[in-house]
Amino acid sequence: QSVLTQPPSVSGAPGQRVTISCTGSSSNIGAGYNAHWYQQLPGTAPKLLIHGNSYRPSGVPDRFSGSNSGTSASLAISGLQAEDEADYYCQSYDSSLSGWVFGGGTKLTVL
Amino acid sequence: QVQLQESGPGLVKSSQTLPLTCTVSGGSISNGGYYWSWIRQHPGKGLEWVGSIYFSGKTSYNPSLKSRLTISLDTSKHQFSLNLSSVTAADTAVYYCASNWRLGNYFDYWGQGILVTVSS
Repeated sequence: QSVLTQPPSVSGAPGQRVTISCTGSSSNIGAGYNAHWYQQLPGTAPKLLIHGNSYRPSGVPDRFSGSNSGTSASLAISGLQAEDEADYYCQSYDSSLSGWVFGGGTKLTVL
Repeated sequence: QVQLQESGPGLVKSSQTLPLTCTVSGGSISNGGYYWSWIRQHPGKGLEWVGSIYFSGKTSYNPSLKSRLTISLDTSKHQFSLNLSSVTAADTAVYYCASNWRLGNYFDYWGQGILVTVSS
């Protein structure tokens, strides 16, 4: 069981907006440690998508946005495209474990 | 831009030690702004942080692996390494090396990953 909890799957039609939640606790997101998001396309390494809860690295489309509140974080993807079909992971730092933790991952299917 | 490349055996026998090396290019492994990290992904599963090392040699290990894990740094070769002892089938995974921006606590650059299979 992952320290950060994500839904196993979400889906949406092209052009729609979907959100992926990431629920943590008082020792990670709730303690003020930022949430970060990664996109993993099939057969490839994860790629940093959002850092510091809501900042996009250079080259990441503004269709991707992040937010956080309390012990949770969310990733929103608007204007869904077929190329967005991938696994998405949230990540933070956990003070109880003294290490970095990931969510279990969410598989996005574009219908 | 920092680039990372994993190397090591694709097959390791059960109970032996798994050795992996990550070669860093395009940036200095002595950059105090980074931890150098290992992350693994079991087949069809999610990501698991394995451990990290700072340029000073300070290490942080996943508590579940700490008793079997050693991560070291060779700045002259621009490499950091992982040694995981007493491996079992449960250690079969794709192992990624990554740079971890210290102030941000996120993994910004990743290697392509190497699949390691533990055989009996």
